[in-house]
Amino acid sequence: GAGVSQTPSNKVTEKGKYVELRCDPISGHTALYWYRQSLGQGPEFLIYFQGTGAADDSGLPNDRFFAVRPEGSVSTLKIQRTERGDSAVYLCASSPTHSTDTQYFGPGTRLTVL
Amino acid sequence: SQQGEEDPQALSIQEGENATMNCSYKTSINNLQWYRQNSGRGLVHLILIRSNEREKHSGRLRVTLDTSKKSSSLLITASRAADTASYFCATDASGSSNTGKLIFGQGTTLQVKP
Repeated sequence: GAGVSQTPSNKVTEKGKYVELRCDPISGHTALYWYRQSLGQGPEFLIYFQGTGAADDSGLPNDRFFAVRPEGSVSTLKIQRTERGDSAVYLCASSPTHSTDTQYFGPGTRLTVL
Repeated sequence: SQQGEEDPQALSIQEGENATMNCSYKTSINNLQWYRQNSGRGLVHLILIRSNEREKHSGRLRVTLDTSKKSSSLLITASRAADTASYFCATDASGSSNTGKLIFGQGTTLQVKP
């Protein structure tokens, strides 16, 4: 079946602009995760959804970052007033339930803030 | 914050040789997972080992886990040029909250020369 998809694959924006990044998880997966990966580093956790609710948003760096998953499937990561330091690859993953399950990652969105 | 420390940071071997990568972590875990990443994009899940397991195999991959030393190793036997990639260990240290939140190491870059 189809894997996790993310759109757009690349996003270039100017400092101060607003961006939305979309994640389509594997059908039926209730758990959804967002991670951010800077060049040369491992991914860093941002937020975890179980169904529609954000069960753990402890990784969001500040209040410019927000994510939603209104119907328990597609999720959108929203970044306001983008800064150059937000440039990274944003990765989405889903798993059938949580915890002991394998997480399946999408190809990522490369965000570049000029 | 990064929990996992991976060693070595970079590894270059000839095709047919074995490659061993090590990962150390700091807190108790629910499970530990190994991922492969090509060209800085999507991560491919390789293997998951639970905290009560000591060794797992999958094809040419062998993973060990020593919870007393808080360390794991990934062995790739009979390496191929196609194994060239970055390899990350990731720990689920979410405990009883069972969020599945993964904390990644910085990765080992493996080059397999034909």
